[in-house]
Amino acid sequence: NAGVTQTPKFRVLKTGQSMTLLCAQDMNHEYMYWYRQDPGMGLRLIHYSVGEGTTAKGEVPDGYNVSRLKKQNFLLGLESAAPSQTSVYFCASRYYPEGAGELFFGEGSRLTVL
Amino acid sequence: KQEVTQIPAALSVPEGENLVLNCSFTDSAIYNLQWFRQDPGKGLTSLLLIQSSQREQTSGRLNASLDKSSGRSTLYIAASQPGDSATYLCATRGAGGTSYGKLTFGQGTILTVHP
Repeated sequence: NAGVTQTPKFRVLKTGQSMTLLCAQDMNHEYMYWYRQDPGMGLRLIHYSVGEGTTAKGEVPDGYNVSRLKKQNFLLGLESAAPSQTSVYFCASRYYPEGAGELFFGEGSRLTVL
Repeated sequence: KQEVTQIPAALSVPEGENLVLNCSFTDSAIYNLQWFRQDPGKGLTSLLLIQSSQREQTSGRLNASLDKSSGRSTLYIAASQPGDSATYLCATRGAGGTSYGKLTFGQGTILTVHP
């Protein structure tokens, strides 16, 4: 089982460039999340989705957009990258809508904005 | 707003020692609490998930306890090994109607087990 797969794993951007991170899960999970992890800040939720065709804002959504056109994929977009978006991005997914439900994480995507 | 704190921030122990990592949270209205392990440059691996109605969960040498009323959880690692060296994160899942399973993470405890 592949679990949660993120692409690309590394990327360097110049300020103002755009890019999309792809998260794919093969576990038929309803819920998907994008987090960013920064030193001293821990993991913070950017956006999440509770099912195909739905998205919602997390704690730090500014500067990012997301789409969930297919249940298995959750895309995170940066329209105009800024140095403050240099971070490690993690995608996660979960099956159960309420109550029990482990969160499964991808390996991370390290993004550097120059 | 939920706040999760982990103490200590870093811990270094000799191999074979039993150790306890602490996690505290400010809002006791949680569905569950999850402990993760993160190796350098890697993603998060789930270790244990404790539902709000449970007091503890065990997996091998790991035992996690939950005291919702006091807002505390502990992760006990028995007979530590160098391979246990990693960052350990705890995260709570809020029970609020609009939480949609969002987790609030602590900042982690960096554990080093030396031979």
